[in-house]
Amino acid sequence: DQQVKQNSPSLSVQEGRISILNCDYTNSMFDYFLWYKKYPAEGPTFLISISSIKDKNEDGRFTVFLNKSAKHLSLHIVPSQPGDSAVYFCAASSDGGTSYGKLTFGQGTILTVHP
Amino acid sequence: DAGVIQSPRHEVTEMGQEVTLRCKPISGHDYLFWYRQTMMRGLELLIYFNNNVPIDDSGMPEDRFSAKMPNASFSTLKIQPSEPRDSAVYFCASSLDPSGVATGELFFGEGSRLTVL
Repeated sequence: DQQVKQNSPSLSVQEGRISILNCDYTNSMFDYFLWYKKYPAEGPTFLISISSIKDKNEDGRFTVFLNKSAKHLSLHIVPSQPGDSAVYFCAASSDGGTSYGKLTFGQGTILTVHP
Repeated sequence: DAGVIQSPRHEVTEMGQEVTLRCKPISGHDYLFWYRQTMMRGLELLIYFNNNVPIDDSGMPEDRFSAKMPNASFSTLKIQPSEPRDSAVYFCASSLDPSGVATGELFFGEGSRLTVL
C-alpha cells in the first residue's frame, strides 16, 4: 500500500518554462515533506522540504506547496533548465515514536527539460 | 569530506547465492538507513540504525534479508539465498542527528545495483 504516490511517471518541459511535479499522500500522521533529486548512477540528493505548519517554502528556482486538506504537495521549478533533468522523489515523515526519522518515498517522476 | 561509500557498485549473481552489500556512512553520522529502489515501488526503507542499534526493520522483506552494523563506520546488508526478485538498486544513507533526519538531510551513497539471474 503506497502511502506516498507520484502518479506521473514522467514529465517533459521546455527550457525556461515551469515544471510542476505532483505528489499525494494518504497518511494524515505525516508532518514533514521533502523532495529529493536523483541523477543516473548517483544516489538521491536532498532538494527542498516543508513542514506541515507551512503551505509554501521557496529556495531559489524551487518552490514546494503543501495542501494539507487535499493531502497533496507539489514542486515548482521556474525557470526549468536542462540540468534539472533527473528523477524527482517525493518523501514524507511523521515525528516522534518509532517512526521518527523514517522517510516514506514515492515512486519518482522522471523530469526531462528540453533545450 | 567523503560521502557515503557503498560496495560493490554492481553485483551479478545466480539465484541461491549469498550476496553481501557494504556501506560506510559519513563519519560522525549516527543514523544509517538501507533503502531499495525498484521501478514499481520506488525507494523503500528496509531498515535503519541509530548508534549501531537497529531501530526499525519492518521493511525487511523476509528472513532471507539481514543487516548488521558492528561499528559506527560499517554496515552490511546480506541476502541469503538470493532470488531474481531481489534484483534492484540498494542504497545506503546516513544522517548526522535527529534534527538532521527531521529536516530530510539524508545523505545517500551511489547505490549497489544487484542482478540475480
